[in-house]
Amino acid sequence: EDKVVQSPLSLVVHEGDTVTLNCSYEVTNFRSLLWYKQEKKAPTFLFMLTSSGIEKKSGRLSSILDKKELFSILNITATQTGDSAIYLCAVEAVNYGQNFVFGPGTRLSVLP
Amino acid sequence: NAGVTQTPKFRVLKTGQSMTLLCAQDMNHEYMYWYRQDPGMGLRLIHYSVGEGTTAKGEVPDGYNVSRLKKQNFLLGLESAAPSQTSVYFCASTPNRKTEAFFGQGTRLTVV
Repeated sequence: EDKVVQSPLSLVVHEGDTVTLNCSYEVTNFRSLLWYKQEKKAPTFLFMLTSSGIEKKSGRLSSILDKKELFSILNITATQTGDSAIYLCAVEAVNYGQNFVFGPGTRLSVLP
Repeated sequence: NAGVTQTPKFRVLKTGQSMTLLCAQDMNHEYMYWYRQDPGMGLRLIHYSVGEGTTAKGEVPDGYNVSRLKKQNFLLGLESAAPSQTSVYFCASTPNRKTEAFFGQGTRLTVV
């Protein structure tokens, strides 16, 4: 059965800290891994990763994929209170014809 | 830019009642999805559609039906609501399998 595991499930840090969020997966016919940020409502897209070892970067956020070890990390440097959200990892799979398998999410709280 | 719009945003149903959730997208996307999000379980796929007139089951389809009569609309129906269907429902769309999903703002459904 396809599955996506995220850790930690919850994290509390202070502004300025650096955090690393983890996503590991067991998915049939892997195609891509996506990271989303979910604040109060709709998840919003952050990154799509398809190749191992190539870092994607956007401002203070960066992510990398390891297809051999089947995981990805999302790094956030110099965290701000606006980074407080649930971070979702999703993997594109073909099981059930399903397009994305989502992990449970990591709830990040950044305190001032 | 409307993107993906879900109606209603909130609803309370009594056990056994029926209702339909509407998802509309104005991006001419082929693929549309209905997910439910429960605490600690991430997003789980209920049903999806790969084009007008087509639907398919996802991970948790029982108790739900869908229809995609027009390309821009994807309807999710509950024929006889149960308390286990209390959840937040998200609709999403993608132009094809290889890109990120765009999400609606969610519908919070409570079944009492």
